[in-house]
Amino acid sequence: AQTVTQSQPEMSVQEAETVTLSCTYDTSESNYYLFWYKQPPSRQMILVIRQEAYKQQNATENRFSVNFQKAAKSFSLKISDSQLGDTAMYFCAFMNFGGSQGNLIFGKGTKLSVKP
Amino acid sequence: GAVVSQHPSWVICKSGTSVKIECRSLDFQATTMFWYRQFPKQSLMLMATSNEGSKATYEQGVEKDKFLINHASLTLSTLTVTSAHPEDSSFYICSARETGSWNQPQHFGDGTRLSIL
Repeated sequence: AQTVTQSQPEMSVQEAETVTLSCTYDTSESNYYLFWYKQPPSRQMILVIRQEAYKQQNATENRFSVNFQKAAKSFSLKISDSQLGDTAMYFCAFMNFGGSQGNLIFGKGTKLSVKP
Repeated sequence: GAVVSQHPSWVICKSGTSVKIECRSLDFQATTMFWYRQFPKQSLMLMATSNEGSKATYEQGVEKDKFLINHASLTLSTLTVTSAHPEDSSFYICSARETGSWNQPQHFGDGTRLSIL
């Protein structure tokens, strides 16, 4: 069974600085998807970034980028130029490639606080 | 973009009553929808996978008779918490996957906060 581990329950960063959130996972599959979701206090789930395991290039979305190390089964999220609106819970998630159901497996989350 | 509407957003009811939560895909068809439960300061826990026109697949430990799921159309799935008790109080979130897009991200509803008195 796949598992997702986020080892940092809480982190804080000063506004405008850079922060990296860690995520490791365990799977025997070779093809899969990885996601980072943001959940602000409103509790809405917002997709931040997505990575296909078969792609070597790290995904980037504006201030958000990932460091995907497939051999190490690591998928960290880097937030550059942190903004107050980035304050939220961040969940790393795994999804099998080609799975008939396509359900997501979430990590326990990291609570990020951006301080002015 | 794809929108998933979840209703109600917040419900308070007495112990012993049944509560129905709706999850609708507004601008796409969703053969598969997912129901999650989230306790305070915890992650999302998958409760069941709902497939249009067939029985839902429940995760281990989730009571089928307690959490009834119906997915009667390609745009609507419902979760009914039967004979709700205070321990059922939680945040419930649905998500939907567009038909034919099995490798695309799920679209999430805004969640339902359920409080049982």
